[in-house]
Amino acid sequence: NAGVMQNPRHLVRRRGQEARLRCSPMKGHSHVYWYRQLPEEGLKFMVYLQKENIIDESGMPKERFSAEFPKEGPSILRIQQVVRGDSAAYFCASSPPGGSSGNTIYFGEGSWLTVV
Amino acid sequence: SQQGEEDPQALSIQEGENATMNCSYKTSINNLQWYRQNSGRGLVHLILIRSNEREKHSGRLRVTLDTSKKSSSLLITASRAADTASYFCATGGLTGGGNKLTFGTGTQLKVEL
Repeated sequence: NAGVMQNPRHLVRRRGQEARLRCSPMKGHSHVYWYRQLPEEGLKFMVYLQKENIIDESGMPKERFSAEFPKEGPSILRIQQVVRGDSAAYFCASSPPGGSSGNTIYFGEGSWLTVV
Repeated sequence: SQQGEEDPQALSIQEGENATMNCSYKTSINNLQWYRQNSGRGLVHLILIRSNEREKHSGRLRVTLDTSKKSSSLLITASRAADTASYFCATGGLTGGGNKLTFGTGTQLKVEL
């Protein structure tokens, strides 16, 4: 039973380019979360999605960042026109349907973005 | 200071000793979870304690929760070198938003041989 799969694991982008990070949730999970971890810090919530719906995007920067979770395929976190400050580890997590607080959420191994 | 702060920031102990990490938070919660992160890796879920629970055990782990003090502790008994990692507490809120978690800044634990 595969866990939360993220790719790429490592991504290098030049300033101004676009970064696309993918996340396939655990089998049977329909809720996806994206978190960002800056160096030496804890994880910060970015966005919570269900299939074809953004439920909570209160942690998303207002510009350049977007997320989707289409009916088919993985969830995508897209960062346009990347800047050096976007360099971080981006973690995806998933949880089962129902989404009630108290369910364990499972994290992927992360995607490390480096902007040069 | 932010929701979910761990104390101490760093802890160095000898193998076989116990390690205790504390977490304080600010708002009312539904549950509190502890995660471990090895350097350069993802988070591994360790244990979840609900707001109506006071103590929970899992193997060498013991977690306590004091909602009146808005604090939790994680005890690792008989530590091993493989326990070296960063440990984070994360709180789940009372309002909607599924399992949106608020993480602390973490405790870096080093277990030396």
